[in-house]
Amino acid sequence: DAGVIQSPRHEVTEMGQEVTLRCKPISGHNSLFWYRQTMMRGLELLIYFNNNVPIDDSGMPEDRFSAKMPNASFSTLKIQPSEPRDSAVYFCASSFLSADTQYFGPGTRLTVL
Amino acid sequence: DQQVKQNSPSLSVQEGRISILNCDYTNSMFDYFLWYKKYPAEGPTFLISISSIKDKNEDGRFTVFLNKSAKHLSLHIVPSQPGDSAVYFCAASAMHTGNQFYFGTGTSLTVIP
Repeated sequence: DAGVIQSPRHEVTEMGQEVTLRCKPISGHNSLFWYRQTMMRGLELLIYFNNNVPIDDSGMPEDRFSAKMPNASFSTLKIQPSEPRDSAVYFCASSFLSADTQYFGPGTRLTVL
Repeated sequence: DQQVKQNSPSLSVQEGRISILNCDYTNSMFDYFLWYKKYPAEGPTFLISISSIKDKNEDGRFTVFLNKSAKHLSLHIVPSQPGDSAVYFCAASAMHTGNQFYFGTGTSLTVIP
């Protein structure tokens, strides 16, 4: 299996622009997670899905953040409008069940100028 | 508030010596703990786990120790190798309830040849 695939790997944008991060989980995995890595809080869970349904989005920092999972093989994390404090590395991870070991993608490094 | 804490942001160890990485948690409901390893520009990868019914789990050079009364776990790497240089994240979950994983802020290990 190719593992979890994320795109783009790097994104540089200007404040106020819309940013869309994409994730393809491992085939057969039923749970998908979006994390943000910061120096202060480490790996911070933003939202996770079970069987394409959002289960817990309490980590989504603001209404500017939204996530969708239209099918079992694709998810997006959107930030609109983006702000400089959103600059971080965003990881997508998947697992067979929500309590199982998670497999991470390579991450998207987002820079908002 | 951080439910999983790694109080040492960095650690340097000579090649061949033991590396000890520490992690503390606050939630007594946590019953499953993992360590992830992360190289630059890559996503975290699963390293080793331990259930709360055990106090030690060993996998080759890696051993995780769990002290439930102190709400503390540690990862021992013996002997340390230069290839072990990476950021190590501790994570915990209340697995029996299918809860999410909570990650620490990471410890950057440097093994000096």
